[in-house]
Parts: sequence; structure tokens; C-alpha cells
Amino acid sequence: DTGVSQDPRHKITKRGQNVTFRCDPISEHNRLYWYRQTLGQGPEFLTYFQNEAQLEKSRLLSDRFSAERPKGSFSTLEIQRTEQGDSAMYLCASSPRDREAYEQYFGPGTRLTVT
Amino acid sequence: AQTVTQSQPEMSVQEAETVTLSCTYDTSENNYYLFWYKQPPSRQMILVIRQEAYKQQNATENRFSVNFQKAAKSFSLKISDSQLGDTAMYFCAFRYSGAGSYQLTFGKGTKLSVIP
Repeated sequence: DTGVSQDPRHKITKRGQNVTFRCDPISEHNRLYWYRQTLGQGPEFLTYFQNEAQLEKSRLLSDRFSAERPKGSFSTLEIQRTEQGDSAMYLCASSPRDREAYEQYFGPGTRLTVT
Repeated sequence: AQTVTQSQPEMSVQEAETVTLSCTYDTSENNYYLFWYKQPPSRQMILVIRQEAYKQQNATENRFSVNFQKAAKSFSLKISDSQLGDTAMYFCAFRYSGAGSYQLTFGKGTKLSVIP
């Protein structure tokens, strides 16, 4: 059973550069979520996809952030013109098709450091 | 908007003992779910236990149980017979149960250390 995978696991970038992260959900899961976790905090919701449709977006997702899930399978999260405040762990999660979708299965995260 | 508060940043417990982690939340909704997630060091987050707000009976999963007090908006986690593998960050989370809403709102977490 393959879990949620994320790539890369670590990314160091200079301020002002663009970065892109990838998330591969569990096969057959139609719901996919992105969260951001900063040091000493719990994860904060960023956005949610059902299949390829982006149905929820947090106000945390500024204009510099964009997420896609073009074929309803993997998803990408891009951050343009990175700032030091973007340094965080970016978590992806997925959940299955059942109506309640109780459990979200989390990936290992991508740790972003902006210097 | 919902808020989730975990007032214990760190806790420790002796192996085989029992420990209770606290969580309170604030919402104007009546129908929702509550969760406890575990995040071991350098490993991914996993679901420990969930509670549906409409259920009066407290959820139990093996050594893990909750004390859900809806009126007080309290949702504590009890870990019995603590094991070294229970060492982790524990996050309390809230989710509205309305159609189409799946985002989780997390507390800041409690770091639990199980001492041999």
C-alpha cells in the first residue's frame, strides 16, 4: 500500500526565486489537500481539490501561491517570488471517495527554507 | 471561524502509565467532527481517533480514548499503558461536517515524551 508521497523532501531557495512542490496522493483518493506547518504550530489549511476542481482556498493562499491538479491525480503547489516568511513544512494529504472522508492521510511533507 | 486550543505545549509520562492531553475548541456550529492526530519525530502525521459531535458515546481505539464534553467544548485524549512509540506531537483538530467542507483546523500541538 503506497502512501502519500511528496517531492522534494527538502528545498532551499533564495528569496525571490520560484519553487514548485509535487504531491502524489494514494491511488483512488479523489480528494487532495495542502497544509502549511510552521515551527511550533499546527498545520494550517491552504487549499482543497476534489478530482481536478479546486473547491476551497484559504486566505493564506496569497496571489504568489498557486495549486493545480490537472488530471485529478498528482498535484503541484507553486510559490512565486518566495519570501523568508514562506519557510515552513508544506504537507499534502488525501482522502477517499466516501461521503464523509473522515480520515486524511498525510504525506511526509516538503520542508522549504528561504534564505 | 473555528479555533482549537491545546494548553499543554509539552507533557511527559512514564512508560505503562496513563496520560491525558487537553483540547478545547470554539465554534458556533452544531455538527462537526473532532480528531486527534499523532506526528512522530520525522515521520508523517497519522489519525489516532475521531469523534462525531452528534454521538454522546466517547470514542475508543485500543489504548486511546477521548472524553468529549460538547457543552464545555472540550475534547481530551487519554492514553493508557503508555508505550515508547507514543512519543510524538499530538494535534487536536476540528472539521465542520457540512457538505463540501473538508478542511481541518488544528491546535498548536502537545509534545508528549514517554520516559522508560
